[in-house]
Amino acid sequence: KAGVTQTPRYLIKTRGQQVTLSCSPISGHRSVSWYQQTPGQGLQFLFEYFSETQRNKGNFPGRFSGRQFSNSRSEMNVSTLELGDSALYLCASSLLARPNTDTQYFGPGTRLTVL
Amino acid sequence: SQQGEEDPQALSIQEGENATMNCSYKTSINNLQWYRQNSGRGLVHLILIRSNEREKHSGRLRVTLDTSKKSSSLLITASRAADTASYFCATGFQGAQKLVFGQGTRLTINP
Repeated sequence: KAGVTQTPRYLIKTRGQQVTLSCSPISGHRSVSWYQQTPGQGLQFLFEYFSETQRNKGNFPGRFSGRQFSNSRSEMNVSTLELGDSALYLCASSLLARPNTDTQYFGPGTRLTVL
Repeated sequence: SQQGEEDPQALSIQEGENATMNCSYKTSINNLQWYRQNSGRGLVHLILIRSNEREKHSGRLRVTLDTSKKSSSLLITASRAADTASYFCATGFQGAQKLVFGQGTRLTINP
């Protein structure tokens, strides 16, 4: 089976722009979670989707949003980019509907740089 | 914060030695997982230990969990250069569909 894929792998944007990141989970996985990783804050949970529904959201401003499609692929969007949004954005999928108890499989991440 | 704390933040040892990393957390958990990350890439799952388990092994990895002390340890035996990476513990809590990650331990294996 192919692993979790994320596109694009690298992005450079300027402040004020918006960006959309994409994640394709492992075939058959229906739960998709997003995390932001920065040197200062570490790995922080953004949100989790299951069957096109957002079930949990982390403590991020409303500029961060996401969605999941019927094929379980997920996108996250960040509007009005700020310098502090520069980070590695990681997507993870899990087979069962309980990402808090199941193994999560991570993609390689999208490295976002905001100038 | 529910976030786990890892100790030490950085560890440098010689190839062939054993490496031990510790993780502490604050609230009751369903399970605790360990992940490895090589140089800014995605995380790779290493081992999952459930709250009713005390010890688990996988190859050269040994994980212990002490729920009374709210702590876990990851032991890597006979370390290799390829083990150089950051190691994260992640805890799963009842009712929250997410994992909470610690800040990680950066492990360097010197040849």
